[in-house]
Amino acid sequence: DVKVTQSSRYLVKRTGEKVFLECVQDMDHENMFWYRQDPGLGLRLIYFSYDVKMKEKGDIPEGYSVSREKKERFSLILESASTNQTSMYLCASSRLEGRENTGELFFGEGSRLTVL
Amino acid sequence: AQTVTQSQPEMSVQEAETVTLSCTYDTSESDYYLFWYKQPPSRQMILVIRQEAYKQQNATENRFSVNFQKAAKSFSLKISDSQLGDAAMYFCAYRRIYGGATNKLIFGTGTLLAVQP
Repeated sequence: DVKVTQSSRYLVKRTGEKVFLECVQDMDHENMFWYRQDPGLGLRLIYFSYDVKMKEKGDIPEGYSVSREKKERFSLILESASTNQTSMYLCASSRLEGRENTGELFFGEGSRLTVL
Repeated sequence: AQTVTQSQPEMSVQEAETVTLSCTYDTSESDYYLFWYKQPPSRQMILVIRQEAYKQQNATENRFSVNFQKAAKSFSLKISDSQLGDAAMYFCAYRRIYGGATNKLIFGTGTLLAVQP
């Protein structure tokens, strides 16, 4: 059974703290993504990676960074957490895109972060 | 830029009845993929159904089917014989095939479906 695992389901952090959200996939997927989910806004892409050590900004990268040192692991980093980063964070992975590949995303269960 | 719009923030359906969730999108591309994803409460999001734009036939997966109207840029999801387990947030999504950023999905804002027993 394919799996995307996020290290923490619930986190509570204080303003200014550094936060690490970890994601691991066991499907040997090339692409990995970090989305943020907020009510009424849907899913917004923060960063994605299509290969080890490669990353590209999504639609809302400000205040975030990422790391992909190994193919199976993709980390989201909040250098200095702020209250407006309180949200649900979803990690996803997919095969490399192409005409024959639909690019279906496989999601983790999400990490709900509260910044006080 | 491509956009995806879900105009129904919440919907409700009686168990065993049929419900249709709406989705419209905007694109200048002629070939792309469309998806419906389901996010049950406190569980991970899963793919429900996908449609390739170049295929005229509407996709079907058991009780789930789509009404794909390419000219109108409409992609609605029909759930037949609704079950309690269908209660979830449903997201419509778009992915381009050619050009840049083809590995990115663009999501709508979601429709929360309640199923009444």
